[in-house]
Amino acid sequence: DAGITQSPRHKVTETGTPVTLRCHQTENHRYMYWYRQDPGHGLRLIHYSYGVKDTDKGEVSDGYSVSRSKTEDFLLTLESATSSQTSVYFCAISGLAGGPRTDTQYFGPGTRLTVL
Amino acid sequence: KNEVEQSPQNLTAQEGEFITINCSYSVGISALHWLQQHPGGGIVSLFMLSSGKKKHGRLIATINIQEKHSSLHITASHPRDSAVYICAVRSNYQLIWGAGTKLIIKP
Repeated sequence: DAGITQSPRHKVTETGTPVTLRCHQTENHRYMYWYRQDPGHGLRLIHYSYGVKDTDKGEVSDGYSVSRSKTEDFLLTLESATSSQTSVYFCAISGLAGGPRTDTQYFGPGTRLTVL
Repeated sequence: KNEVEQSPQNLTAQEGEFITINCSYSVGISALHWLQQHPGGGIVSLFMLSSGKKKHGRLIATINIQEKHSSLHITASHPRDSAVYICAVRSNYQLIWGAGTKLIIKP
C-alpha cells in the first residue's frame, strides 16, 4: 500500500448540502488527483494538484473545488451537492518529491457518495 | 468515439483458461498503463509500458505502437483474478482512461 487514506469511506447526503472529502498521504508524493468513477465512464479526472496551493481542473471539474494547503492533504469540496454527483470518488498520488517524474499512480480505497 | 476503447466489456471464463483483454487507442501516446480494480474497489497499477512486452507472474502485457493496440493476458486464470481491468494512456501530459473490462473467472 502507498499510504493513502480517504475519509469518509461512505457518505449519504441530501441535495444542496456541502460535502468535503479528504485524501491523506504519508508518502510525500508531489502530485495528487481526484477522480470519479461511474458505470460506463471509467475513471474521470475532476481536479489535480502538482504542489501545495497548486491545483488545476480536470475534465469534469464543474461543481467541484479543491484545496491543498499541505503536501499530505488534498480536499475535494462539493459546494452544493446534486444527485448527478452520486459516484465513487478515488484519490490518487504520483511522483515522489525529489524523485524522477513517473506516471504510476497509487490509488486510495475510494469514497462512495450518495446524494439523495 | 472514445479515445481509449477496451474489449470485451465483460468476460466470463472458467478457471485455467487463457485470458486476453484488449485496449485500442486513437491518440499519440508516451505510455500505456494497465490497472486492476478488485470487487472491493481498490485499484492497483499492474504495468506501465511504452514498447514491447512485460511479464509479472501470470500476467503479460504487450503493446504495438504502430497499431495503437495493447493486450493484457492472464495465463492459468484463477477465481482471484476476477476484477475490472482498466487501460489508461498518457497523451499530451494527461491520462486518458478506458471504461474497463469486467472479468469473472468461475471455479
